[in-house]
Amino acid sequence: AQTVTQSQPEMSVQEAETVTLSCTYDTSESNYYLFWYKQPPSRQMILVIRQEAYKQQNATENRFSVNFQKAAKSFSLKISDSQLGDTAMYFCAFKEVYSGGGADGLTFGKGTHLIIQP
Amino acid sequence: DAGVIQSPRHEVTEMGQEVTLRCKPISGHNSLFWYRQTMMRGLELLIYFNNNVPIDDSGMPEDRFSAKMPNASFSTLKIQPSEPRDSAVYFCASTPGPARRAKNIQYFGAGTRLSVL
Repeated sequence: AQTVTQSQPEMSVQEAETVTLSCTYDTSESNYYLFWYKQPPSRQMILVIRQEAYKQQNATENRFSVNFQKAAKSFSLKISDSQLGDTAMYFCAFKEVYSGGGADGLTFGKGTHLIIQP
Repeated sequence: DAGVIQSPRHEVTEMGQEVTLRCKPISGHNSLFWYRQTMMRGLELLIYFNNNVPIDDSGMPEDRFSAKMPNASFSTLKIQPSEPRDSAVYFCASTPGPARRAKNIQYFGAGTRLSVL
């Protein structure tokens, strides 16, 4: 079974700073997907960014980018020019590649509570 | 698109009562997932459906929990009888079918916060 580990329960940075959230995972699969989801106080789970394991290029979405190190099984999220609205829980998640016979669920880490200070 | 719709948003009930949580997936999505979020255990997959058929219910904690998907636009998660340890946030998520590029992205509802007293 896959496991996802987020070693930082809480982080706090000043507005406009850059922050990196860590995530490691364990799997025997060679192809899979990795995700970062954001959960603000509203409780809604919002997809931030997605990475496909067979792609070597790191995914980017505006101020959000990842550092995907497949050999090290590491998938960190970098938030540049952090904003007050980035304050939220951030969850790293793993999913096997869709096989066509069924779609597996996500395996989540325990989350990192990110606080952006004004 | 209205997104995944869950109801109720909050549910407070007494121990021993039956609780039914509801979910309407995004139209056209083929797979539906139920997750539970607690402080102790984080987010856990309970069960998922593919084309209305339950594929994996190994995450369902015990026989008190049951889930159904009678059609492509509706699913329920039922707890009978409910216990205080069932208190959690329950999320429903859906994902497009294999022909869509976003087939591996799960779109979540706003969740139902269940409190069992």
